[in-house]
Formats: sequence, C-alpha cells, structure tokens
Amino acid sequence: NAGVTQTPKFQVLKTGQSMTLQCAQDMNHNSMYWYRQDPGMGLRLIYYSASEGTTDKGEVPNGYNVSRLNKREFSLRLESAAPSQTSVYFCASRKGTTSSYNEQFFGPGTRLTVL
Amino acid sequence: AQSVAQPEDQVNVAEGNPLTVKCTYSVSGNPYLFWYVQYPNRGLQFLLKYITGDNLVKGSYGFEAEFNKSQTSFHLKKPSALVSDSALYFCAVRDLRYNFNKFYFGSGTKLNVKP
Repeated sequence: NAGVTQTPKFQVLKTGQSMTLQCAQDMNHNSMYWYRQDPGMGLRLIYYSASEGTTDKGEVPNGYNVSRLNKREFSLRLESAAPSQTSVYFCASRKGTTSSYNEQFFGPGTRLTVL
Repeated sequence: AQSVAQPEDQVNVAEGNPLTVKCTYSVSGNPYLFWYVQYPNRGLQFLLKYITGDNLVKGSYGFEAEFNKSQTSFHLKKPSALVSDSALYFCAVRDLRYNFNKFYFGSGTKLNVKP
C-alpha cells in the first residue's frame, strides 16, 4: 500500500514549456486534490475532484488544468509555465463522500522551478 | 469567509517543556478543524481533528488540541516536547458554505525544539 504517489519529484522548466504532474492513490479514495505550497502562504487549493469524472476549481486555478483519469489518478497540467508557478505541488486524497469528515492523505510533493 | 490563522511563524521550545502552537478560525456554522505536520521534504501528515463532542482532542505522537468555541481557537499542544517534534505544523478548516470538499490551510508554524 503505497498511499499517494507523485511524479516527478523535481522538475525544472523554461518559461512557456508545458508539463503534466502525475498523482495516483491506491486507497480507493473518492476525492483528490492539488495544492501548491509557497513560503509563508501555506497550502492553496488549485483544483479538486470529488469523484471520478468531476473536477472543480479551487482558490488558484489560473494557468492549470486537471484530469481525473480514473478513480486512482488525478493529473495537473501546466500548459505554458510561468515563473510565478515555481512552487512545491502536493496531491492529496480523501476517503468517503462529500459529506464525510475524513482527513486528507498527502503525497510527497513535486518541486517545480520555472526559469 | 472560511479561514484559519496561525499567528506565529515560529515557536521555539526546549526539549521536555510543554509546547503550544496557536490556531484561530473563522467559519460559518460549526467548524471542522484539523492539524497536520510536515517534516522536511515530505508531504503533510494528519495529526488530529475536531468534528464535534469533547473539546480536548487527542491525536498522534502524543499531541492534543483544545477547541474553544468562544475564542474561535484550536491550539495544538503537547505536555513534553521532543527534538523530533521539530517540523512545520498546519491548521486547516473545512469549507461548509457551499461545498463540503474544500479545506483551507493556515500559513504554517515552524516548531523548533532545542535539546
């Protein structure tokens, strides 16, 4: 049981390049999330998916797109990377339905630098 | 608006002394509150949560948190700090307005426990 896995662990991009961050969970969780972590700002929600086939915007969705490929996988795509997207990205998942009180499980993060 | 505040960027405490990491919240309706810990270069790990009931919540690694409705606070505590407790701590609140699936995180508090 690996929990939540993310690839890659590190990435350096040039401005304007695109890339996809991958996330997978093996806990059969319904909900999945993408956050970015910046110094002094905590975690900010980019997008989330309450269940397979649905996605919704969070606090800071501009410049990102997501795909909930199946129940296990939730990817985050940067179509045209900008230096402001330099950050650490975390994927998380959560058991249960929208109304449940379960906590989130986090992946190890992807450290992205955009030059 | 739903939010949490962690007023201290850093807390320093000597090993063996009690520690407190502060969190205040602002929510509509009943709050659902969480504490997470992040060790260097790792994802966040769940410590404990308050949903309802007893105001003193016990969690992992000897941590506990006290919910105070009148002061809108949810402070994290431990009776005797360990050097290994040194990490970044995040308070989080669940969005109860329109969507039960969103969580808002504080900016984080760095705990330094000195031998």
